[in-house]
Amino acid sequence: NAGVTQTPKFRVLKTGQSMTLLCAQDMNHEYMYWYRQDPGMGLRLIHYSVGEGTTAKGEVPDGYNVSRLKKQNFLLGLESAAPSQTSVYFCASSYSEGAGQPQHFGDGTRLSIL
Amino acid sequence: GQNIDQPTEMTATEGAIVQINCTYQTSGFNGLFWYQQHAGEAPTFLSYNVLDGLEEKGRFSSFLSRSKGYSYLLLKELQMKDSASYLCAALDSNYQLIWGAGTKLIIKP
Repeated sequence: NAGVTQTPKFRVLKTGQSMTLLCAQDMNHEYMYWYRQDPGMGLRLIHYSVGEGTTAKGEVPDGYNVSRLKKQNFLLGLESAAPSQTSVYFCASSYSEGAGQPQHFGDGTRLSIL
Repeated sequence: GQNIDQPTEMTATEGAIVQINCTYQTSGFNGLFWYQQHAGEAPTFLSYNVLDGLEEKGRFSSFLSRSKGYSYLLLKELQMKDSASYLCAALDSNYQLIWGAGTKLIIKP
């Protein structure tokens, strides 16, 4: 019973490098989300998807791109990493956006940009 | 603007009761969630309230007052494993979750 799986779990990048964070869910959920979590702040939504082939911007989308080519996968790309993108990144999924539908989270990716 | 307020940190004693408060201001409202997050781990779902009143789930209860924009999470018979951060999140009119910064709960023996 894997739920939501994120890879990698840790990564250190140099400023200007690019990388892709992978998220996979096995619950057949339509909705998927990418958040970042920084000390003293709430989870902030980067991008989300309401179904295969769709993506939408969240609260803090700048510097990130996403793709949802398959229903079970949601990829987050950093085009040119900056120190301000040092954070813990969480992927989540939910059956729908309807009231009462909880989001299920992966274990997070801890990303440091030097 | 949209905002969630909850205390940054609370301390309680093992076996006691603690109440974690949350106030929210959102554009529309479609319910309020509580999540638990142990250090270095993912948030996990605890409860959801959309109607006024108290919802009880074992040692945990959650209360909502829509007119006051207020919720609380009540933890009874505290155990050491309850040491964690508790995240309050409100669902706005666009079904977007607005998250609080979390309350770090420290349980002392």
